[in-house]
Amino acid sequence: AQRVTQPEKLLSVFKGAPVELKCNYSYSGSPELFWYVQYSRQRLQLLLRHISRESIKGFTADLNKGETSFHLKKPFAQEEDSAMYYCALSSSGGYQKVTFGTGTKLQVIP
Amino acid sequence: NAGVTQTPKFRVLKTGQSMTLLCAQDMNHEYMYWYRQDPGMGLRLIHYSVGEGTTAKGEVPDGYNVSRLKKQNFLLGLESAAPSQTSVYFCASSYLSGSYYNEQFFGPGTRLTVL
Repeated sequence: AQRVTQPEKLLSVFKGAPVELKCNYSYSGSPELFWYVQYSRQRLQLLLRHISRESIKGFTADLNKGETSFHLKKPFAQEEDSAMYYCALSSSGGYQKVTFGTGTKLQVIP
Repeated sequence: NAGVTQTPKFRVLKTGQSMTLLCAQDMNHEYMYWYRQDPGMGLRLIHYSVGEGTTAKGEVPDGYNVSRLKKQNFLLGLESAAPSQTSVYFCASSYLSGSYYNEQFFGPGTRLTVL
């Protein structure tokens, strides 16, 4: 069974401070991992995916297969980063089965 | 392109009433999904569809039914609403290209309250 764990429900940081949102996964195969973001009163949208190896809005995430982690990082938090962040794992099996974590609310304090 | 749209945006039901939530996508995606979002529980898959005319159960299907008569539409039905079905419902769609599954595109959500 696949599982995604986001241990923090709420993460509060000051503007300009580094951010790390934790995500650990459990999956026996080769996972495809994503971070989705939901800003206030907006729909969920993709932030980044591990296969792209790109930086979006200053955020990066590295897949660590040894630690089964996919933590989201940003060196300097901005107020507009305040949102709900979901880590998600995608697997095959006839359809795209996506398992979401419970989400972490990031609050950036001015 | 409108992307993924959902109707209605809000709804209040009484216990035992029925309703249908409509999801529509104009991106010609094969896969469509219905999730519910509850505080502290993230998104949980209710039902999904891998193509027109096919549907399957997700992790929390009880009390819901779905239909996908047209590729662009995915309907979620509640036959006899219960207070436990108070939630925010999200529809999503996605597609497969090569060997990779791509991002899911989400609708704006439907906030349902069952009294």
